[in-house]
Amino acid sequence: SQTIHQWPATLVQPVGSPLSLECTVEGTSNPNLYWYRQAAGRGLQLLFYSVGIGQISSEVPQNLSASRPQDRQFILSSKKLLLSDSGFYLCAWRAGGGNTIYFGEGSWLTVV
Amino acid sequence: LAKTTQPISMDSYEGQEVNITCSHNNIATNDYITWYQQFPSQGPRFIIQGYKTKVTNEVASLFIPADRKSSTLSLPRVSLSDTAVYYCSPGAQKLVFGQGTRLTINP
Repeated sequence: SQTIHQWPATLVQPVGSPLSLECTVEGTSNPNLYWYRQAAGRGLQLLFYSVGIGQISSEVPQNLSASRPQDRQFILSSKKLLLSDSGFYLCAWRAGGGNTIYFGEGSWLTVV
Repeated sequence: LAKTTQPISMDSYEGQEVNITCSHNNIATNDYITWYQQFPSQGPRFIIQGYKTKVTNEVASLFIPADRKSSTLSLPRVSLSDTAVYYCSPGAQKLVFGQGTRLTINP
C-alpha cells in the first residue's frame, strides 16, 4: 500500500534562518506531488505541485521554493524565513491517472 | 481553476442528517469533485468523490446536479466525532481547496 511521510513534524525557527521540509512517498511510481500551507484557522493554500522529477509549478510567488530530486521525494525550502511563513505545511500525492490526493501528517512551522 | 464557495460554519446534533453544499460554478469538464474531512493538526482525509449524479459509500453520499456547478455532501446520523472541517475540491491535476465548512456536532 502507498504511504506518505513528511518531517519534521514540528519546527521552531528564527526569522532569517533557512528551512527544509521533506516528504517521501512509498508504494507508487511517478506520483504527482503537492505542497500546501494552512495558516491557523484558515483553508488550504496550494504552494507547489510537481508532475515529475525536476518539474515544479509554483502557484503563489513567495519566499519558498520546492525541489523534486527523486521520483518520490519532494522538498520545500526557504533561504530566509519570514514571520508570515508560519503555518501548517502539508505534503500530498496523487497517482498519475487518479483523481484523489492523499495527505501526509503535516509539519507545524513557527517562525519567531 | 474552479473556485469554491461553502458555508463557513454549520451546527447540528447527534443523530441528525447534515447536508453541506458547495458551489463551483466554473468547474472544468474533466474535473471530479472530491470531499475531504480535516481534524485539527491533521492532514485532510478523503471522504467521497464523484463526477455526476449520486455516489454513496459507507460514510457519506454525494449529490451532483446535471450542470455540476454545485455538489452536496450528505452525512447521515452524525455523531460528535464528525465535528471537523469539510472541504470540497473540484479538480484533476491541481486540486484547490476553499475555506471549508466548520461542522460542529452537539450532544
